[in-house]
Amino acid sequence: AAGVIQSPRHLIKEKRETATLKCYPIPRHDTVYWYQQGPGQDPQFLISFYEKMQSDKGSIPDRFSAQQFSDYHSELNMSSLELGDSALYFCASSSPPLRGEPYEQYFGPGTRLTVT
Amino acid sequence: AQSVTQLDSQVPVFEEAPVELRCNYSSSVSVYLFWYVQYPNQGLQLLLKYLSGSTLVKGINGFEAEFNKSQTSFHLRKPSVHISDTAEYFCAVSLEYGNKLVFGAGTILRVKS
Repeated sequence: AAGVIQSPRHLIKEKRETATLKCYPIPRHDTVYWYQQGPGQDPQFLISFYEKMQSDKGSIPDRFSAQQFSDYHSELNMSSLELGDSALYFCASSSPPLRGEPYEQYFGPGTRLTVT
Repeated sequence: AQSVTQLDSQVPVFEEAPVELRCNYSSSVSVYLFWYVQYPNQGLQLLLKYLSGSTLVKGINGFEAEFNKSQTSFHLRKPSVHISDTAEYFCAVSLEYGNKLVFGAGTILRVKS
């Protein structure tokens, strides 16, 4: 079965650089979520999109922005990178409730961002 | 706002012994409850979930969990663990369909031979 695809899987950037993380949800899933997991920490919700509109916002720095495109893939743009941005970034997707499928967020493998 | 407390940061257990990983949540409204497993350097895999109905939920890899509304708990259990169960386990809650997940701090299960 198709899963959530994230690219790149690993990314190394220097301080003050920018980074773009991409997420391709499972086909027919219309909701995308972004989470950040720092070293030894639990995943923290950043932002979500439903039908290309921002649906919820968590502890996402102003230096970060995200959007969902017409094909439902999403991109997380990170600028002025700081050492503290080093983390594993997960994308998850879920299906529309009207389809009658049980609610579940399917997680991608994550992008490991290292800021040096 | 909802929150999740995982009472044990690490749980060591011998192979073939039973294990219980504890999770308590705080919310003023009904929630959906989940357990995820994360193997080293990997993503999050859903073990099981409680949305409604029977309070005893069975998941993959022989795990099960029981939802207790009065105690606001959702403890994860396995009657006999295997070395391959060594991983970090996260309990999570969601207020409603399509809502963000709020995770607990995680419990590292270490299975020893």
